[in-house]
Amino acid sequence: ETGVTQTPRHLVMGMTNKKSLKCEQHLGHNAMYWYKQSAKKPLELMFVYSLEERVENNSVPSRFSPECPNSSHLFLHLHTLQPEDSALYLCASSQGGPGVSGPLHFGNGTRLTVT
Amino acid sequence: DQQVKQNSPSLSVQEGRISILNCDYTNSMFDYFLWYKKYPAEGPTFLISISSIKDKNEDGRFTVFLNKSAKHLSLHIVPSQPGDSAVYFCAASGSGGATNKLIFGTGTLLAVQP
Repeated sequence: ETGVTQTPRHLVMGMTNKKSLKCEQHLGHNAMYWYKQSAKKPLELMFVYSLEERVENNSVPSRFSPECPNSSHLFLHLHTLQPEDSALYLCASSQGGPGVSGPLHFGNGTRLTVT
Repeated sequence: DQQVKQNSPSLSVQEGRISILNCDYTNSMFDYFLWYKKYPAEGPTFLISISSIKDKNEDGRFTVFLNKSAKHLSLHIVPSQPGDSAVYFCAASGSGGATNKLIFGTGTLLAVQP
């Protein structure tokens, strides 16, 4: 496998459920990101990890909990979500970390629906 | 308040013609700009970028123009091909392109008609 892989592709969950989104990058990058894309809104940066350390948390509610066990894997743990959290969640990676310019490489996203 | 604006939600162009996608920004501190392309059911892919020290960058059929005084950039695709049909996102950064400071626009859906 190459690039950035996200699973699952689609997820439907109730407001009381707990689920996790998984992201894996095979590019040898050392920074990973979670973005949220809601309908008709710009991509919103949620979290940034550089060398497995969280370097940015953009005022994301605590019902979203990221985890980065190593530089190739990133998780987003979800619990007690709200219907307005329904969106496309995109994982991305980059070489050189968040303070360095260069393109982000995105996964195909997880389409989350909260019922 | 949106700092990066793509005011045209959609654009339709005939195959072989030029596609021009526009992007406006409000923050004069932005110094690095990127375009991403997104097909349905896929993540965005990087297309082309430009630093504020330039006013034009070209890569094959794709050219990005930057007008700093107008705080405006545009992406030209010529000739347009049906495979170019996708959503195009403009992004800007004020920290030399720092990836954690990228601000995205809402995207423009380009449809290239055969």
